[in-house]
Amino acid sequence: NAGVTQTPKFQVLKTGQSMTLQCAQDMNHEYMSWYRQDPGMGLRLIHYSVGAGITDQGEVPNGYNVSRSTTEDFPLRLLSAAPSQTSVYFCASSSGRDSAGGYTFGSGTRLTIV
Amino acid sequence: GENVEQHPSTLSVQEGDSAVIKCTYSDSASNYFPWYKQELGKGPQLIIDIRSNVGEKKDQRIAVTLNKTAKHFSLHITETQPEDSAVYFCAASISNFGNEKLTFGTGTRLTIIP
Repeated sequence: NAGVTQTPKFQVLKTGQSMTLQCAQDMNHEYMSWYRQDPGMGLRLIHYSVGAGITDQGEVPNGYNVSRSTTEDFPLRLLSAAPSQTSVYFCASSSGRDSAGGYTFGSGTRLTIV
Repeated sequence: GENVEQHPSTLSVQEGDSAVIKCTYSDSASNYFPWYKQELGKGPQLIIDIRSNVGEKKDQRIAVTLNKTAKHFSLHITETQPEDSAVYFCAASISNFGNEKLTFGTGTRLTIIP
């Protein structure tokens, strides 16, 4: 039982490049979210999904796209990377049943835009 | 939207003493309040949570209290140990049968002094 798996763990991108951060969970959780963590700002919600085929914007969605074609996977896409997107990104999942057990977070992707 | 403030940002306590971290929230409709512990290089891990129909919840050395009228909640760690050193985040959300969009505080770095 792997929980929430994020890849890659580290990535350096040049400004303007695109990439996809991968997130997969094997707990059959309905709810999945992406957060970014910046020093002194806690974790901020980027996008979230309440089930396959359903996504919605969080607090800081600009510059990011998501899709949820399967229950297991929730990739985060940066279409044209900007230095302001340098951050640590966390994917999280929850069963969605009255939040039993709360959210399970992945180990994060540290992304640097140069 | 919801705003969560967390204090203090750093806290140092002697091993064996108690530690208290406080959070306030702005949206009176929020009804789910989890606490997460984040160790260096890892994702946040849920340590305890409370719902608005409960005033206090305990789990061994950890307790959380909630004051709905004042819109604040606190994390209490007793008999602190070196392994309690980490960054702690509070969060709040409106729980609609699991449809949580967590708003996090900015974190408290807790250091236990041996």
